[in-house]
Amino acid sequence: NAGVTQTPKFQVLKTGQSMTLQCAQDMNHEYMSWYRQDPGMGLRLIHYSVGAGITDQGEVPNGYNVSRSTTEDFPLRLLSAAPSQTSVYFCASSYNGAGRGADTQYFGPGTRLTVL
Amino acid sequence: GENVEQHPSTLSVQEGDSAVIKCTYSDSASNYFPWYKQELGKGPQLIIDIRSNVGEKKDQRIAVTLNKTAKHFSLHITETQPEDSAVYFCAASRDNYGQNFVFGPGTRLSVLP
Repeated sequence: NAGVTQTPKFQVLKTGQSMTLQCAQDMNHEYMSWYRQDPGMGLRLIHYSVGAGITDQGEVPNGYNVSRSTTEDFPLRLLSAAPSQTSVYFCASSYNGAGRGADTQYFGPGTRLTVL
Repeated sequence: GENVEQHPSTLSVQEGDSAVIKCTYSDSASNYFPWYKQELGKGPQLIIDIRSNVGEKKDQRIAVTLNKTAKHFSLHITETQPEDSAVYFCAASRDNYGQNFVFGPGTRLSVLP
């Protein structure tokens, strides 16, 4: 298993540009999520999905969009990049979906995004 | 909503000594508490977790304790080694549906040889 993969590893954008961060997992996990990590603030949840076709907002969803058309993929879209979105983005997945209790989350290697 | 505090923010210990990191949470309904280790340039990796029906859990040199009444839990690493140097995050989750975790701000542990 490759686990959780993320592309790209690094990205530089100009203010106002849009882009999609890719996330894929090959563990047949129901639950997938996106976090951003900023210095001194831990990880903050952006959006999550408990299964294909189901997504919901986390703590800091503004400026981001997600969709989940397959179990494997969970892309994160930046609609109009802003300097405040400069961060490291992590995708995570876990086996349990709805109503079966919290479970181990497996994280991808991250995407380091800089918005100029 | 849930708030997780973590102390200390940095910790330096001599190789072979023990390290303790403490977290407090605010939501008494939280029932799952994982600890993650993050090495430079990598994603967080689960090292141990505990559920609210257990007071202590051990895995070799790592242990976690939970005090539900006081709403705090701690990570204990014994016989520290240089490869234990990393950033450690605690988290709390109460949401059986969405598994929404709230993370602490992290502790940078340095093990000095």
